[in-house]
Amino acid sequence: ETGVTQSPTHLIKTRGQQVTLRCSSQSGHNTVSWYQQALGQGPQFIFQYYREEENGRGNFPPRFSGLQFPNYSSELNVNALELDDSALYLCASSDQGASSYNEQFFGPGTRLTVL
Amino acid sequence: RKEVEQDPGPFNVPEGATVAFNCTYSNSASQSFFWYRQDCRKEPKLLMSVYSSGNEDGRFTAQLNRASQYISLLIRDSKLSDSATYLCVVSRAQAGTALIFGKGTTLSVSS
Repeated sequence: ETGVTQSPTHLIKTRGQQVTLRCSSQSGHNTVSWYQQALGQGPQFIFQYYREEENGRGNFPPRFSGLQFPNYSSELNVNALELDDSALYLCASSDQGASSYNEQFFGPGTRLTVL
Repeated sequence: RKEVEQDPGPFNVPEGATVAFNCTYSNSASQSFFWYRQDCRKEPKLLMSVYSSGNEDGRFTAQLNRASQYISLLIRDSKLSDSATYLCVVSRAQAGTALIFGKGTTLSVSS
């Protein structure tokens, strides 16, 4: 069973640029959640995709957007990058129905630095 | 006020010590409760779920008090390998079963 993978592992961008981060969910999982973890903080929920539809969103501006593909992999897109977007971006996959909780398995993350 | 608040830490303890972490949550709609462990520059991993009846997994004991919206984690006989950041986490059915994390408490166990 392949675990959650993310790419790239590290990324450096400048303010105003756009970035796309990718996540492959664990085999058999239909749900992907994205989190932002700033240095010294706990992860913060960005949004979740369940069977290709957004299934919840945290307190992040619209310049944070996402997609989930038929194979349940996912992308996180961030437009107009700001310095405060520098963080570890974590993807987590799970196998769940619309309202039940199942364990979320995290990928190793993408470390984004915005200069 | 943050939705999940934890002891600020860090906790520095010798091997063999017992250490307790406390956590409070503000949203009474929270339905599921967990402790995650995060090693330096790694992803969080589920340590244990927390139930109202309390639950134990080896040296680790977790307690939940829904009335006071309080969660705890007790680690007995600390090992060097327990050194990590411990994250208190709650989940609610709204917002798509999102996990809401506390800031984390860092534990350093020394020999």
